Amino acid sequence: QVTLKESGPVLVKPTETLTLTCTVSGFSLSNARMGVSWIRQPPGKALEWLAHIFSNDEKSYSTSLKSRLTISKDTSKSQVVLTMTNMDPVDTATYYCARIPGTSSPMDVWGKGTTVTVSS
Amino acid sequence: SYVLTQPPSVSVAPGKTARITCGGNNIGSKSVHWYQQKPGQAPVLVIYYDSDRPSGIPERFSGSNSGNTATLTISRVEAGDEADYYCQVWDSSSDHRGVFGGGTKLTVL
Repeated sequence: QVTLKESGPVLVKPTETLTLTCTVSGFSLSNARMGVSWIRQPPGKALEWLAHIFSNDEKSYSTSLKSRLTISKDTSKSQVVLTMTNMDPVDTATYYCARIPGTSSPMDVWGKGTTVTVSS
Repeated sequence: SYVLTQPPSVSVAPGKTARITCGGNNIGSKSVHWYQQKPGQAPVLVIYYDSDRPSGIPERFSGSNSGNTATLTISRVEAGDEADYYCQVWDSSSDHRGVFGGGTKLTVL
């Protein structure tokens, strides 16, 4: 059974750096063309794609957030990590990770999400 | 960057057919994926590669894609279909970035 689980702080202060971890099971991050995306959703708003990383270490970032995001993976731990610097209250959202089983594939399995609030 | 446009809301009576559109420049040349999201839950894939259905998704869900519009069609709508629906593509002209539409709230009257 394929599962993804997001973890990280519930509350961060403005200007701090957010670090989120996506722990996967049921598949390997080293499988050919396997990828993981991060997506967020502010309260009451639409989904926003943030970044992805593939098994060959190919990475891509949202144009508007590229300067603040870093995505990496630890295949041995089955984890994908997203860091976002200089957090602001507008970054308050539920953050999801999702599996991408190929470079043009859909995000076929999603984690339940983790809610992050940015407040002093 | 590539933009996907969805109507904010669609309303339909039970048993009727709902059509949710997703507009984008020459979207017919891209593969479109559709997600259903119910309140408080993570999105679920309902249509991929324009018209394929994952296992477990009812045949009532179908998709099409041509020209500048992709469409998610839900036949014989049920109360349980009430949700937000998002279309998504990969923008191969821009570092293969993900793009979501703004979402459509489907209301079952």
